[in-house]
Amino acid sequence: AQSVSQHNHHVILSEAASLELGCNYSYGGTVNLFWYVQYPGQHLQLLLKYFSGDPLVKGIKGFEAEFIKSKFSFNLRKPSVQWSDTAEYFCAVNRKGGATNKLIFGTGTLLAVQP
Amino acid sequence: EAQVTQNPRYLITVTGKKLTVTCSQNMNHEYMSWYRQDPGLGLRQIYYSMNVEVTDKGDVPEGYKVSRKEKRNFPLILESPSPNQTSLYFCASSAWTGGYNEQFFGPGTRLTVL
Repeated sequence: AQSVSQHNHHVILSEAASLELGCNYSYGGTVNLFWYVQYPGQHLQLLLKYFSGDPLVKGIKGFEAEFIKSKFSFNLRKPSVQWSDTAEYFCAVNRKGGATNKLIFGTGTLLAVQP
Repeated sequence: EAQVTQNPRYLITVTGKKLTVTCSQNMNHEYMSWYRQDPGLGLRQIYYSMNVEVTDKGDVPEGYKVSRKEKRNFPLILESPSPNQTSLYFCASSAWTGGYNEQFFGPGTRLTVL
């Protein structure tokens, strides 16, 4: 069965620090990969996605993620975080060519950025 | 404005009292889905619908029902809520053209069952 692991449950950073959130997935086939962000009290928003092509994808608000197929990983990065990046971040996968649109989510990483 | 709406946003109820959470989208999307979000577990799919009158179970369907009589609406029904259904619920919708289509999420419904 597909699964997604996010290694860090809580991360606390100071403003301007660099961010890397880990994501590994378990699935033998081809997948689409996503990072979603949930700001306090708000709904999920798509940060970035990888379907194919360049494994380094850039998303909104200066975030990027790198797909490393050999490691089944899709880590999220940002060179310099801001207080407004405080949120919960979810990695998700979807089986490419699957019969449904189902997303499998990781358990989330809560990021707190201190001013 | 393209959006997914849910009502109510917050609900406190008691065990056994039937309730319905509505979900509506204005994007003419074929695919709709319900997820529940619990601390430490992320989001898990409850039910989904590929189109009108086509619904199927997700990963955690027990205790829930859905219906899809119209394309825009996908209500979630709890016939006899129990405390373990206390959670944050999200509805999502997307086009369905084969392959993956980006899902748009509603604002969430926070349900407490006493």
